[in-house]
Amino acid sequence: GAGVSQSPSNKVTEKGKDVELRCDPISGHTALYWYRQSLGQGLEFLIYFQGNSAPDKSGLPSDRFSAERTGGSVSTLTIQRTQQEDSAVYLCASSLDGRNQETQYFGPGTRLLVL
Amino acid sequence: AQSVTQLGSHVSVSEGALVLLRCNYSSSVPPYLFWYVQYPNQGLQLLLKYTTGATLVKGINGFEAEFKKSETSFHLTKPSAHMSDAAEYFCAVMAAGNTDKLIFGTGTRLQVFP
Repeated sequence: GAGVSQSPSNKVTEKGKDVELRCDPISGHTALYWYRQSLGQGLEFLIYFQGNSAPDKSGLPSDRFSAERTGGSVSTLTIQRTQQEDSAVYLCASSLDGRNQETQYFGPGTRLLVL
Repeated sequence: AQSVTQLGSHVSVSEGALVLLRCNYSSSVPPYLFWYVQYPNQGLQLLLKYTTGATLVKGINGFEAEFKKSETSFHLTKPSAHMSDAAEYFCAVMAAGNTDKLIFGTGTRLQVFP
C-alpha cells in the first residue's frame, strides 16, 4: 500500500517568510510524528499526534513552529518568520497507534532551505 | 532521560567484510531500541528493533543486532558487506512515557569499497 508522503519535496524560501509542510500518513495510522534532520542537531523529535489526544509539542524549538492534524489524518507543519537555522530536512512518520512500540514509517522528507 | 551514542561517524569496509556499527544507550527504564537506515535522499527505513524477548534480533538485508544490558549496547552487525549497504545508519531508543517518540543517535555513515 501507499507509504507516508510529504510535500513539497524541496522548498526554498527567503528569511522571514512563512512555510507550510504537509504530511499524509499511512491510512489507518493514528499516530503521527514530525522530526527534523539538520547538520548541526542530527535527527530530533518535534511533535507527536495520537488520535484525539492533545499533541506532544515538547520538541518544537520555538513558538515560530506549529503543527496541526486535521481529521486525524493529514498534518501540516508551519514555520513562521523562517530563519536560516531552520534549514533542514523535515521528516514525517506514522505508526499504528503510537503507544505500543509500533514501527514508525517515515516519509521521504521535505528539504527546506532558507536563504 | 534516554540517550543514544553512536561511536564513529564514518565507517569504511571492503565488500565482503564484516560490518560492525556501534550503539550504546542510556535509559532509566527497560529500553526499546531500533536501527534505521537512510539511503541518499530518502526517508528512514526500519532495519530491526528490540522490545522484549530474544536479545539477538534479526532484521532485513542480513543485518542483526544484539541487546546487551550489561554493556548498555545494541551494536549492529552484518557478516558480509555489500556495495548496496552504503548508507547512513541511525540507532534510536524509544522515549519512556505515553508516546513512542524516538531519540536518535548522530548516525554512522557506512562506506563500502570494492
